[in-house]
Amino acid sequence: GDSVTQTEGQVTVSESKSLIINCTYSATSIGYPNLFWYVRYPGEGLQLLLKVITAGQKGSSRGFEATYNKEATSFHLQKASVQESDSAVYYCALSEGNMGYKLTFGTGTSLLVDP
Amino acid sequence: EAGVTQSPRYAVLQEGQAVSFWCDPISGHDTLYWYQQPRDQGPQLLVYFRDEAVIDNSQLPSDRFSAVRPKGTNSTLKIQSAKQGDTATYLCASSPPLTINQDTQYFGPGTRLLVL
Repeated sequence: GDSVTQTEGQVTVSESKSLIINCTYSATSIGYPNLFWYVRYPGEGLQLLLKVITAGQKGSSRGFEATYNKEATSFHLQKASVQESDSAVYYCALSEGNMGYKLTFGTGTSLLVDP
Repeated sequence: EAGVTQSPRYAVLQEGQAVSFWCDPISGHDTLYWYQQPRDQGPQLLVYFRDEAVIDNSQLPSDRFSAVRPKGTNSTLKIQSAKQGDTATYLCASSPPLTINQDTQYFGPGTRLLVL
């Protein structure tokens, strides 16, 4: 079946420093899944941060970026300068669009930004 | 626009007890999903509906779990005889009809279940 791997369970970064959260995936269909980053801020529900449905394209939102790398089967999340308000849990996910859009999630990466 | 609502927000049970979770999706969304999220894991799909029809329930433990969406709007997920291994957060999500954003899911706040 499909799978998503996030290797870092918890990351601590100082405010204004750069961030990268790793995500790799395996898709069992034709291999062109839609890719997502969801985020859960403290006390809030899970919400979409960004998505990319075309290989080679980059998605961006709230200063975060992620590029769909089909060759490396990766979708790493990056930000040049984090803020304390970015502290949250980030989930990488995929869906195989024409298979009904169900999401397969990674285990999540908890980001703590030190002020 | 109101988001996805779920109730109750918390539930504590003894093993063997039954519990029901209720979800009200965003108005106009035809697809509704139920996920189980154990602690320190990502959400895992249990079942999803398009209107009132079950599209995929292959990950739903059918001996104890059931889910319905009789009018294609609200949905209920029921655990007949809870086990400690069912301890998790249960998330409901919905998505709009066939558009470019159909694969964007909107999540409710979840119900946190503890089975003692």
